[in-house]
Amino acid sequence: EPEVTQTPSHQVTQMGQEVILRCVPISNHLYFYWYRQILGQKVEFLVSFYNNEISEKSEIFDDQFSVERPDGSNFTLKIRSTKLEDSAMYFCASRRIEQGVEGYTFGSGTRLTVV
Amino acid sequence: QKEVEQDPGPLSVPEGAIVSLNCTYSNSAFQYFMWYRQYSRKGPELLMYTYSSGNKEDGRFTAQVDKSSKYISLFIRDSQPSDSATYLCAMIRGDSSYKLIFGSGTRLLVRP
Repeated sequence: EPEVTQTPSHQVTQMGQEVILRCVPISNHLYFYWYRQILGQKVEFLVSFYNNEISEKSEIFDDQFSVERPDGSNFTLKIRSTKLEDSAMYFCASRRIEQGVEGYTFGSGTRLTVV
Repeated sequence: QKEVEQDPGPLSVPEGAIVSLNCTYSNSAFQYFMWYRQYSRKGPELLMYTYSSGNKEDGRFTAQVDKSSKYISLFIRDSQPSDSATYLCAMIRGDSSYKLIFGSGTRLLVRP
């Protein structure tokens, strides 16, 4: 079964450093997402991306965050200057537009720890 | 008022029990109602979804949506220890981005 692949599975970074989280969505999917889950809290939407541009972003997704699809297969989330409160699980998801919600698949996540 | 509310549990039941998990919501614009299962430190896995009101059954799982009460349920019959996980409800307004609004999740433990 097709999977959304995320790397690394765990990243530790120092406060103020830049991090890039990587995702390889399912190959024929057209909509891409990032979600975040702080330990013990609910999964929260960050951003959706379609046709090489952001289609919607949450208030969490401020100027410190950016997304990119650099090469047609990868989908990245960059945090420019990490803060302690950015520590969370970050999930990438993708969806094939024709399938509606059935194709809505999540990766296993990247656990980001900011120290 | 939170958009989606879900009792965090934990809910502990003996193997073979019928489990009922529920969410309430406040936004009448929600059109898709989903249930995800999440194991520790893993991504959410879609179990079932319902479009608008009604029931849907898939094996031991039944999802119900009551839009008049803004209440959704997931029933698990003949629960197994392998069903032990956190169950997340999630909803979509059906707009162009299809962003998911999640409940906080209910931890379920099925005791052998």
